Amino acid sequence: GNSVTQMEGPVTLSEEAFLTINCTYTATGYPSLFWYVQYPGEGLQLLLKATKADDKGSNKGFEATYRKETTSFHLEKGSVQVSDSAVYFCALIEGLGETSGSRLTFGEGTQLTVNP
Amino acid sequence: DVKVTQSSRYLVKRTGEKVFLECVQDMDHENMFWYRQDPGLGLRLIYFSYDVKMKEKGDIPEGYSVSREKKERFSLILESASTNQTSMYLCASSYQGSWDNQPQHFGDGTRLSIL
Repeated sequence: GNSVTQMEGPVTLSEEAFLTINCTYTATGYPSLFWYVQYPGEGLQLLLKATKADDKGSNKGFEATYRKETTSFHLEKGSVQVSDSAVYFCALIEGLGETSGSRLTFGEGTQLTVNP
Repeated sequence: DVKVTQSSRYLVKRTGEKVFLECVQDMDHENMFWYRQDPGLGLRLIYFSYDVKMKEKGDIPEGYSVSREKKERFSLILESASTNQTSMYLCASSYQGSWDNQPQHFGDGTRLSIL
């Protein structure tokens, strides 16, 4: 079946450092890919998405490019802030076959801490 | 803005109790989902529903059931709570549109402790 693998955390950076969180996936078809973020005490929020190969999703200074050849969707940010401290989840979406709707498969999550 | 509301942020129950977790969404979404979140395991899908009175098992349905009597409400039921069901539970909803382009919207979660 489909699966998502993220780099192991936790990741600790200083403010203004460059961030990369690796994400690779296994899928039978052509999934759409997502990054979600979970701030402390909250649910998950959609950060960005890409629906086909070579698409680049971006939001709040974060970017990720859908690389079909390497089955990857790495998250990057050029200069992190303390407010970016959160857990980041990579996910892919697949159809439900005979049923309608969408189902997400998540990675394990990567805890990011940014120190001032 | 989409609002997904879970009835409790924190809940403490005893082993063997029947536990109800409620979730309500206000955007007329067709799809609703229940996940549990555990450290090192990410989010795992328990059950989902793509229409009123419809339900489908996710990856870890054992020990759980669900109810969707109205479109806006999706309930997760622990039939006889056990300590290994201590976890963070997250509800989500989404439109039933082009399946590969509809993000899920999440509630803030219920942290459930079974003693």
